[in-house]
This record gives sequence, C-alpha cells and structure tokens, in this order.
Amino acid sequence: GAVVSQHPSRVICKSGTSVKIECRSLDFQATTMFWYRQFPKQSLMLMATSNEGSKATYEQGVEKDKFLINHASLTLSTLTVTSAHPEDSSFYICSAREDQGTEAFFGQGTRLTVV
Amino acid sequence: GQNIDQPTEMTATEGAIVQINCTYQTSGFNGLFWYQQHAGEAPTFLSYNVLDGLEEKGRFSSFLSRSKGYSYLLLKELQMKDSASYLCAVRKGGFKTIFGAGTRLFVKA
Repeated sequence: GAVVSQHPSRVICKSGTSVKIECRSLDFQATTMFWYRQFPKQSLMLMATSNEGSKATYEQGVEKDKFLINHASLTLSTLTVTSAHPEDSSFYICSAREDQGTEAFFGQGTRLTVV
Repeated sequence: GQNIDQPTEMTATEGAIVQINCTYQTSGFNGLFWYQQHAGEAPTFLSYNVLDGLEEKGRFSSFLSRSKGYSYLLLKELQMKDSASYLCAVRKGGFKTIFGAGTRLFVKA
C-alpha cells in the first residue's frame, strides 16, 4: 500500500512556542490531506481538510489561527501548532488520499507534549 | 447532526469469534471503513464497504446495511495480537471521514 510519512513522531516543547508537524506522501501524489487529533482513549477528531494549493477547511471549533495548515505541494502538508499550551498535548495524525483513490493512508502520528 | 455508535469495550476468548457493531447517522454517506489501532500507534486499514453486503478478507469480515445505517466487523479465530481498538468510520461527501469512538477489544487466553 501507499506510504505516508509523518515527522516528528514525538516532540516536547515549552508552552508558548510553536511546533511544526510534516506529513509526506512518499509514493503517490496526495490531492487531499486530513489532519486529526486524538486524546487518550478517545477517537480521532477531524481538525481540517487540506487540498493542494488552496486554503484548508477547518472543522467547527478548531481555531485556524492556532493550527496553521499548509499544503503547498502534492506530497507535503504541514500543521503548525502556534503558541502551544499544555491542553494542546495530544496525538496528531495525518492521512492522505490520492486523486480518484478510495482509501486514505495514515501517517505514523506525532505525540506532542507541551510542558 | 451526525452520530457513530459502537460499544466501548468487548472481551473475547482466544480462538473464538467476535462481532463489533456500528450504527451511524450522518449527513451524506460515501462508504464505511473499519480500522484497527494499537495503543500509541496510528490506525491501520481493515476494510471498506460502500455497497450492502458482506466483504470477507481472511479472518476479518465486514458487513454493511445502508438502509439500516448499520455495519459490523467480524473477527474469527481470535489471536492475542487482535487486542486493540477497532474504529468504525464513515466517509461523507468530499472524502471527509468521521470516526466513531472506537471499541476496545480484549482477547484473553
């Protein structure tokens, strides 16, 4: 199957700083990428949908100025958590879909801890 | 609104069969997925149903009834490594996928 690489897998940052998470499709072109957040023992909550070359569409309740998403190429999308706070600590997962594809493939996830 | 319901936890015995149910009410439907997720890891794809009926893939089978808003995942010949969370997810229009809360399956010897 297709491979989606997410980096970093773990990151610890200080409160008030910003963190960038990358999501790359390694062997296909990802028309659409999705960003999810998962708190412990809870399911994946969709944060936003990004399409290459256009602005991301954010789900209700997700602050677009805090969670900056850039999808500048068909193989890379980035999520930047700005001015991170401890409550932003979570597991962030991206998934990517190629045009006409049925399945979206998940990255390995990023465990963010804000101290 | 939209709602995806599945049991919170289930326990089954090694070698047995277990069925995990999922009911959904969503605005728009473009297929239903089942994923397996081990703690601390990303979900892995198990199955995709878009038409009514049963899809079988090895020890795993998935069933869909669109008219009833119902699906189940059937796991046969359970193994200890099958202990994980199983996520039911509905794809809506625009390929947006919404996840249920997940069912934590414990397989005991």
